[in-house]
Amino acid sequence: DGGITQSPKYLFRKEGQNVTLSCEQNLNHDAMYWYRQDPGQGLRLIYYSQIVNDFQKGDIAEGYSVSREKKESFPLTVTSAQKNPTAFYLCASSFRQGFIYEQYFGPGTRLTVT
Amino acid sequence: AQKITQTQPGMFVQEKEAVTLDCTYDTSDQSYGLFWYKQPSSGEMIFLIYQGSYDEQNATEGRYSLNFQKARKSANLVISASQLGDSAMYFCAMRVFNSGGSNYKLTFGKGTLLTVNP
Repeated sequence: DGGITQSPKYLFRKEGQNVTLSCEQNLNHDAMYWYRQDPGQGLRLIYYSQIVNDFQKGDIAEGYSVSREKKESFPLTVTSAQKNPTAFYLCASSFRQGFIYEQYFGPGTRLTVT
Repeated sequence: AQKITQTQPGMFVQEKEAVTLDCTYDTSDQSYGLFWYKQPSSGEMIFLIYQGSYDEQNATEGRYSLNFQKARKSANLVISASQLGDSAMYFCAMRVFNSGGSNYKLTFGKGTLLTVNP
């Protein structure tokens, strides 16, 4: 089945440690995105990538890093510089061309940093 | 900058009745799209319906319809014949289409929690 996978579903880390969240898609989508969701809030864009080996900062990129070495994969690293990393992280993908292509979302990773 | 406002933190509806979830938006761009997503307690975001700024007719997808009033900058979601499985968070989002490089960004509202009562 085509879709987006994120692993793991729950992740626990100690403060000061970097952690990498996985996102893989087999939808042949060009564009991929990372969002952060805090309780009672909407989604905020962290990073997005339109094509392989290219990515742009979103609204809240500080303390995060990404790579896009393969079309199917867009991992997100939460670094120790992120002051409040505990949140729900959602990965999404879409076709690059056209106006109406909606973004498809993965199941999310809930990160807890103590 | 774009902004989405959802003024209803929570809504209740009886099973089989219709419900309207409000969404207003703000943008200076003329070309844009409006999306509604459903987020069940599992966390995944599910795309429901899309409305383009130049679409003359309101979008419909099964039990979902979008009441688009461009002059008022509103894009309300109407769910007909509510079902227990409709209980979830609902998010309105907007994407603008311009040459400024932000074409791929979705701006989300804070969401409305819908509870369907039996």
